Amino acid sequence: RKEVEQDPGPFNVPEGATVAFNCTYSNSASQSFFWYRQDCRKEPKLLMSVYSSGNEDGRFTAQLNRASQYISLLIRDSKLSDSATYLCVVNGQAGTALIFGKGTTLSVSS
Amino acid sequence: NAGVTQTPKFQVLKTGQSMTLQCAQDMNHEYMSWYRQDPGMGLRLIHYSVGAGITDQGEVPNGYNVSRSTTEDFPLRLLSAAPSQTSVYFCASSQQGYTEAFFGQGTRLTVV
Repeated sequence: RKEVEQDPGPFNVPEGATVAFNCTYSNSASQSFFWYRQDCRKEPKLLMSVYSSGNEDGRFTAQLNRASQYISLLIRDSKLSDSATYLCVVNGQAGTALIFGKGTTLSVSS
Repeated sequence: NAGVTQTPKFQVLKTGQSMTLQCAQDMNHEYMSWYRQDPGMGLRLIHYSVGAGITDQGEVPNGYNVSRSTTEDFPLRLLSAAPSQTSVYFCASSQQGYTEAFFGQGTRLTVV
């Protein structure tokens, strides 16, 4: 089983739609969870950290289920500018480095 | 505020050539890492360092060497380039191994 697994998509949605991405991770000892955003041919950038109680940043909501080892990202009221690849990220064993999922591609159209 | 700086941005190598990808950070981060990104494969960890003088292998270390003589710099060496090493390489740094990682702009390497 891969350390971090994501549905690659692509997800094609109209502007204003709500879209959800899911991710599972294999290391039950992981303590840090993130969603990164990567635009085409650019470096990944932090979108938001994911906390146990769930957290929200504007139109973005992240949830963590430790028991199921499952992370989610919800995007409400999608904008054209949300088109990107979203990477689920978990810390590696013994805090070595971050481990990235393959990413989920989102395309928002007008 | 430079953050993480990678050079070069683009490089074409012939099979068998060697080269060094440079990475420098000015945030005084202890942790640095190298990833490669290939279509459909996501970001895969090549090598990482938890501090000056300490390096370790990631998921795909074969064909690459690293060293960490200073906190700021973490070069990646390709000893004998192969077409399979054609990829986009990203360097990242973080305060700890479990905190937010900041990335350089990437090096697009083609081996012919």
